[in-house]
Amino acid sequence: DGGITQSPKYLFRKEGQNVTLSCEQNLNHDAMYWYRQDPGQGLRLIYYSQIVNDFQKGDIAEGYSVSREKKESFPLTVTSAQKNPTAFYLCASSISSGGYNEQFFGPGTRLTVL
Amino acid sequence: AQSVTQPDIHITVSEGASLELRCNYSYGATPYLFWYVQSPGQGLQLLLKYFSGDTLVQGIKGFEAEFKRSQSSFNLRKPSVHWSDAAEYFCAVGKASNSGYALNFGKGTSLLVTP
Repeated sequence: DGGITQSPKYLFRKEGQNVTLSCEQNLNHDAMYWYRQDPGQGLRLIYYSQIVNDFQKGDIAEGYSVSREKKESFPLTVTSAQKNPTAFYLCASSISSGGYNEQFFGPGTRLTVL
Repeated sequence: AQSVTQPDIHITVSEGASLELRCNYSYGATPYLFWYVQSPGQGLQLLLKYFSGDTLVQGIKGFEAEFKRSQSSFNLRKPSVHWSDAAEYFCAVGKASNSGYALNFGKGTSLLVTP
């Protein structure tokens, strides 16, 4: 089955630690995205990537970093510089990065900072 | 910049009743509009989308939406709600160019379905 996988589903981190969230897709999509979801806030864009070895900051990139070394993978690192990292993180992909393209979402990772 | 407003944070309807979820957008040109649904703790699933043409769009699970340019709205409707429709619904707008921008989401409407 084609789709997007995110792991782990739940993640706990101590303050001051970096943590990496995994996102893999087998849809052969060029574009990938990371969103953060907080209650009552909707989804906010962290980073996106149009093609391999390219990525751009979204609306709330501070304290996060990404890489796109392979087409199917777009890991997100939450660094210790992120002041309020507890949230639900969603990865998505689309055929290309145009605003008219449907985005397909993974099941999400819930990060809790202890 | 384009933006999306969902005026209703929560909506409660009885099973079998009709449903309308409101979405207003702010954008100069004809926008690309989407409705997504999210079950608790899950990712988002596309219900329907509008790019151009017929302003009444049919989607999955019996949902439809109507694009009204004069009102800058893209409201989601369903004639008869089922208990399984209880979820969070997001309206989103995309840029009308291949500039690499991602979707801009509203804050969501949480739907509760009562027996």
